[in-house]
Amino acid sequence: DTGVSQDPRHKITKRGQNVTFRCDPISEHNRLYWYRQTLGQGPEFLTYFQNEAQLEKSRLLSDRFSAERPKGSFSTLEIQRTEQGDSAMYLCASSFTSGKNEQYFGPGTRLTVT
Amino acid sequence: GQNIDQPTEMTATEGAIVQINCTYQTSGFNGLFWYQQHAGEAPTFLSYNVLDGLEEKGRFSSFLSRSKGYSYLLLKELQMKDSASYLCAVREYGGDKIIFGKGTRLHILP
Repeated sequence: DTGVSQDPRHKITKRGQNVTFRCDPISEHNRLYWYRQTLGQGPEFLTYFQNEAQLEKSRLLSDRFSAERPKGSFSTLEIQRTEQGDSAMYLCASSFTSGKNEQYFGPGTRLTVT
Repeated sequence: GQNIDQPTEMTATEGAIVQINCTYQTSGFNGLFWYQQHAGEAPTFLSYNVLDGLEEKGRFSSFLSRSKGYSYLLLKELQMKDSASYLCAVREYGGDKIIFGKGTRLHILP
């Protein structure tokens, strides 16, 4: 399977703990995006990268969230000092820069903060 | 700022046609996407419009009117597997950020 993959698929953590998620994009894609989705809502943009450069970060994203894409391939999203409000599905997507630039989504990581 | 509106839920009958509307307000427009999302799964790409008019792809068509800030997704010959959420999303000019609407949950009745 050469689609977008995410790890882990599920994560349960206690409030105050740090968590890190990984996303492996489609290999030819140079853009990578992170979204957060809660029940009954559409995906909410968090940040995106072109190669290793982080081009935009949502103003709604607190300083507890950080993302990296050190070699322009896989990316990690870290949440420090998790809060119950961080419980959500975290989706990763990737795309080319040219053409319609449609984004292909991974299966997501479901985070539950207890 | 941006605002994307679409109905929360719709119901249709197997074999029928359904139209899901989306209106948007953005500071700059560079394309509109429709995605399908089954419960518990990731969104999958359905269609893309950047110019006014109708784009047809099999049973699915999408229409765009930029002057009206309006799009619709038309699904024909509905099948039970079409029961899903349909997400309207807009890309702003000058960047690659896509803003999603809340989605329309479509229920198909036999």
